[in-house]
Parts: sequence; C-alpha cells; structure tokens
Amino acid sequence: GAGVSQSPSNKVTEKGKDVELRCDPISGHTALYWYRQSLGQGLEFLIYFQGNSAPDKSGLPSDRFSAERTGGSVSTLTIQRTQQEDSAVYLCASSGDRGRYEQYFGPGTRLTVT
Amino acid sequence: GQNIDQPTEMTATEGAIVQINCTYQTSGFNGLFWYQQHAGEAPTFLSYNVLDGLEEKGRFSSFLSRSKGYSYLLLKELQMKDSASYLCAVRAGEGGSTLGRLYFGRGTQLTVWP
Repeated sequence: GAGVSQSPSNKVTEKGKDVELRCDPISGHTALYWYRQSLGQGLEFLIYFQGNSAPDKSGLPSDRFSAERTGGSVSTLTIQRTQQEDSAVYLCASSGDRGRYEQYFGPGTRLTVT
Repeated sequence: GQNIDQPTEMTATEGAIVQINCTYQTSGFNGLFWYQQHAGEAPTFLSYNVLDGLEEKGRFSSFLSRSKGYSYLLLKELQMKDSASYLCAVRAGEGGSTLGRLYFGRGTQLTVWP
C-alpha cells in the first residue's frame, strides 16, 4: 500500500514568511509524529498525535511552531515568521495501533529559509 | 528525562562484522528500535526489542538488556550498501500509556570500505 507522503519535497522561503508543511500518513495509522533533522544531526522530536488524545507538543521549539491533524488523518505543520535556524528537513512518521508500533517515515520536506 | 548514547562514527571493511552499541536512560521503557538512514533519505525500520535477548533477522541482529539499559545492533557480512547512519530509538510511555513517543539517539555513521 501507499506509504507516508509529504509535500512539498522542497521549500525555499524568505525569512519572516509563514510556511505550511503537509503530511499524509499511512491509511489507518492512528499515531502521527513530526521531527526535524538538521544536516548531520539526529532527529529532533516536535509533536505527536495519538488518536483523539491531546497532542504531545513538548518538542515544539517555540510558539512560532504549530501543528494540527484533521479528521485523524492529514496533518499540517505551520511555522510562522520563519527564521534561518528553522532550515532543516522536516520528517513526518506514522504508526499503527497494534504489534510493534514501528514508525514509518515519509520522505521529508527540505526547508530552506533565506 | 531521556538520554540515548551511541558512537558518532564507525568504520569497517566489506565482509566483516560490526557491532553498534546504544546505551539509554529512560523512564517508562516500552521498547527499543533500530533504524537505518542513508544520506538524503528517510529512516527505515530495522529491528525492535522489548524483551531481553537477541532478535535475528538475516544479516542483522539486535540485542537488548533492560537491566543494563543497553542494546546493540550487529551487522554481519557487511556490504558497501550498509554504509549509512544507524539510529537507536527508545519508546517511553508516560502515565501508563502503552504507546508513547520515540526518543532517538544522534545516530552512528557507519562507513564500509571495500
């Protein structure tokens, strides 16, 4: 079946502009995660949605970052007033609600803030 | 908090065996994952351990000791295509959650030489 998809694959924006990144999880997966990865660095957790529970927002670096998940499926990560330090690859992952619950990652969105 | 440690870099030759160690300190341990990430690509799931012992899957094996907070990933018969970053991740559920988010180490960059 289809995997996790993300759009756009690349985004170049000017400092101060807002951006929206989209994630389509695997159909039926109840959990959805956002991470970001700077060049040569590990994965930095941002936010985690699980079913209808309140999201775990503990990883969001500032109030410029927000995310929502509509209808328990598609998610949008919004970064307001982008800064150069926001430049990174933003990865989305989803997992099911049985078995190992391993996360399946999308291809990522490479964000460059100029 | 959660703390995941793994070596930054390792090198090995084709056909050899390499062991990548991971130590962790977490509360609410709920499973340990290993992911492989090739440069410019998203992480892909390799293995999962939740009970002590060795899990073998082809050329890859993963070991877990919960009492020691220790895991390793063993790669046998190394091939050039195994050159990648290997990420150790611990799932920690809080408040009795059976799921929970993953906490990733910074990754071990493995280079396989001919």
